[in-house]
Amino acid sequence: GAGVSQTPSNKVTEKGKYVELRCDPISGHTALYWYRQSLGQGPEFLIYFQGTGAADDSGLPNDRFFAVRPEGSVSTLKIQRTERGDSAVYLCASSSKPGGLDEQFFGPGTRLTVL
Amino acid sequence: AQSVTQLGSHVSVSEGALVLLRCNYSSSVPPYLFWYVQYPNQGLQLLLKYTSAATLVKGINGFEAEFKKSETSFHLTKPSAHMSDAAEYFCAVTTYNQGGKLIFGQGTELSVKP
Repeated sequence: GAGVSQTPSNKVTEKGKYVELRCDPISGHTALYWYRQSLGQGPEFLIYFQGTGAADDSGLPNDRFFAVRPEGSVSTLKIQRTERGDSAVYLCASSSKPGGLDEQFFGPGTRLTVL
Repeated sequence: AQSVTQLGSHVSVSEGALVLLRCNYSSSVPPYLFWYVQYPNQGLQLLLKYTSAATLVKGINGFEAEFKKSETSFHLTKPSAHMSDAAEYFCAVTTYNQGGKLIFGQGTELSVKP
């Protein structure tokens, strides 16, 4: 595809359930970022991958959140025991160069609603 | 640590009027600054970026921004607003040692009146 894609576009779940959010970056982009955007707020950084490894996971709010990128391409953000406060739009972005001073291309996001 | 403050959560201008969206940053090392635009139900799109070259940066759709170190500002301007400019605008900062981790402001919603 031409851009970053994210699936699903919408996810509704119940409190306590487990969810997985998927990000397909632009082909060849080595850097991948996850952000979370709550209503009326700017995106907040969650985690950054350079290749397969998480280079910076300082933004993950707690140990219920985990992300992987096993082959250096697709990434999955996993949330265990979801809480109502996890409701937000989860954004993925990719960049072609390490260090990320180049443009980050954002996907349309996954809107997560926890009931 | 870095931070960004966008003054004014909502800005309304008339079509053809000057657009000015304010952004102030805080950083203990030289910053790299970005403006992104978010149209309804779309992903964030880069408008322009400052990465320590020219302080006046020109971007897409007629937007530009000027880096002013003495004022710790990076305000976004456009001489003449179009209806199609109505969107949410985000200022963001990172530094050379952050791996590209962007710290975003709260956003400014721009409305354009006919």
